[in-house]
Amino acid sequence: SQQGEEDPQALSIQEGENATMNCSYKTSINNLQWYRQNSGRGLVHLILIRSNEREKHSGRLRVTLDTSKKSSSLLITASRAADTASYFCATARGGANNLFFGTGTRLTVIP
Amino acid sequence: EAGVAQSPRYKIIEKRQSVAFWCNPISGHATLYWYQQILGQGPKLLIQFQNNGVVDDSQLPKDRFSAERLKGVDSTLKIQPAKLEDSAVYLCASSLRPREGRNEQFFGPGTRLTVL
Repeated sequence: SQQGEEDPQALSIQEGENATMNCSYKTSINNLQWYRQNSGRGLVHLILIRSNEREKHSGRLRVTLDTSKKSSSLLITASRAADTASYFCATARGGANNLFFGTGTRLTVIP
Repeated sequence: EAGVAQSPRYKIIEKRQSVAFWCNPISGHATLYWYQQILGQGPKLLIQFQNNGVVDDSQLPKDRFSAERLKGVDSTLKIQPAKLEDSAVYLCASSLRPREGRNEQFFGPGTRLTVL
């Protein structure tokens, strides 16, 4: 079963705007990761945030984690048409640190 | 650095036939994963290998799915016999040292399976 749920399921914005995607999960985690998937391609790792971290930045990406609410958000600033893709959150748990993926947010950036 | 390689990229078979997928992980990555991604959903873990041993296969439908990683490098995933609901993209991924927190995963392009 899926571990997390992203919302919204789909998001359409104009180029240059910011995009925010949210992820909620149900169990305790070791870390949470965000991945991007372009249509018909494999997933690409974007950023990892550990359970003891609250915020992390990487380029135009900003991730927050609230373990008390079991939720995370991914902010993409100054979006570009090339950011059009599906974005998945994945929670790592257990000794094997396996990843459990959410259902994804489909982002469309309109040029 | 070469990425995760998978073949074939596409496969169309009829139900009850058999199919096999191949994966070559990133060099030096001891951990290898197979995922099933049904259209519109996130990837679901089928099996995890650490070197040539199985770490987790709790979500692998063992009556029809099998996987092996004999020499701790390449891996094959087999479905026999296939059902209509097996239509999906099968993704292979590898990671460096997941038990030490280095569990970012690197994915191959996937094999899109259509069962008619």
